[in-house]
Amino acid sequence: AQSVAQPEDQVNVAEGNPLTVKCTYSVSGNPYLFWYVQYPNRGLQFLLKYITGDNLVKGSYGFEAEFNKSQTSFHLKKPSALVSDSALYFCAVRGLPGGFKTIFGAGTRLFVKA
Amino acid sequence: GAVVSQHPSRVICKSGTSVKIECRSLDFQATTMFWYRQFPKKSLMLMATSNEGSKATYEQGVEKDKFLINHASLTLSTLTVTSAHPEDSSFYICSARVAGDDEQFFGPGTRLTVL
Repeated sequence: AQSVAQPEDQVNVAEGNPLTVKCTYSVSGNPYLFWYVQYPNRGLQFLLKYITGDNLVKGSYGFEAEFNKSQTSFHLKKPSALVSDSALYFCAVRGLPGGFKTIFGAGTRLFVKA
Repeated sequence: GAVVSQHPSRVICKSGTSVKIECRSLDFQATTMFWYRQFPKKSLMLMATSNEGSKATYEQGVEKDKFLINHASLTLSTLTVTSAHPEDSSFYICSARVAGDDEQFFGPGTRLTVL
């Protein structure tokens, strides 16, 4: 069965410092991996995805994520955090190409302090 | 990018009444739409998947007769919460995709409060 884990409920980081939001997954076959961001009372906004190819994926707003097959991880990173990055971040996985059921992690709340 | 809208953005209703939430793809034709429910400080729970012109596929534990989903056209899906109760209060989010595309595009969500 597909699953995705975000081990941290909350991540605190100072503005200008690098940030990492962790995600690990379990899926049969090759995973499709996604990161989304949600601002209060809003829907989800797509940040980036990994389907195949280069393990380092670059996305919107300066975010990037590294796919690590041996560790089954897909951590979200940004070299220099902004206060405006404060939001709820979701990692998501789809198991099979053509199978579109997406499983979301529990979410990690990111707080960036000025 | 592709835009998905939801209407209404917020609704308050009395217990026992029915509420309809619309999900529209504004600039593309969505072959598949998804309905999610999000509890406070929790992740999204997939409720059902609907393909245009066919019956929705509900996830285990989701009551079909309570959460009626209609996907009458390639740009519109509706979720009707029938005989709503306070425990149905939640944030409902839809998403849409085009056949052959990897991405799904999310609506802004609808906050339902049942008194």
